[in-house]
Amino acid sequence: AQTVTQSQPEMSVQEAETVTLSCTYDTSESDYYLFWYKQPPSRQMILVIRQEAYKQQNATENRFSVNFQKAAKSFSLKISDSQLGDAAMYFCAYRSGDRSQGNLIFGKGTKLSVKP
Amino acid sequence: NAGVTQTPKFQVLKTGQSMTLQCAQDMNHNSMYWYRQDPGMGLRLIYYSASEGTTDKGEVPNGYNVSRLNKREFSLRLESAAPSQTSVYFCASNRQVGWTQETQYFGPGTRLLVL
Repeated sequence: AQTVTQSQPEMSVQEAETVTLSCTYDTSESDYYLFWYKQPPSRQMILVIRQEAYKQQNATENRFSVNFQKAAKSFSLKISDSQLGDAAMYFCAYRSGDRSQGNLIFGKGTKLSVKP
Repeated sequence: NAGVTQTPKFQVLKTGQSMTLQCAQDMNHNSMYWYRQDPGMGLRLIYYSASEGTTDKGEVPNGYNVSRLNKREFSLRLESAAPSQTSVYFCASNRQVGWTQETQYFGPGTRLLVL
């Protein structure tokens, strides 16, 4: 069974600085997808970024980028120029490439605080 | 385009009562999911429906039943609520195109308190 581990329950960053959130996963599959979701106090789950395992290039979305290390099974999220609105819970998630397994497997989350 | 909607937003139940959580999506997605989120935990899969007319158990199905009423709607039923079912429930959906599962979108959640 696949597992996702986020080893940092809480992180803090100064506004305008850069922060990296860690995520590791365990799988025997070669085809899969990885995601970062943001959950603000409203509890809405918001997709931040997505990475296909077959792509060697790291995904980027504006101030958000990932460091995908397939061999190490590591998938970290870097937030540049942090803003107060980035404060939220961040969840790393895994999805199998098997078309019959569409559900997401989540880590326990990292609570990010942004200091003004 | 409302995306994924859930009702109710908040509910208080007494132990032993029953209720149904409703979920609907207007994105023509074929796959739908129910997750629960407990404090200090990520979301865990309760049940899912890969297509209209099919449902399958996830990681934590005990105490729940589901119905995929049509392509748009996927309901979650608690027949006899227990305090351990106090949680936030999320419905999600995505489209499968050929061999590819597209990005999953979530509803706003239903907060359930069982006394």
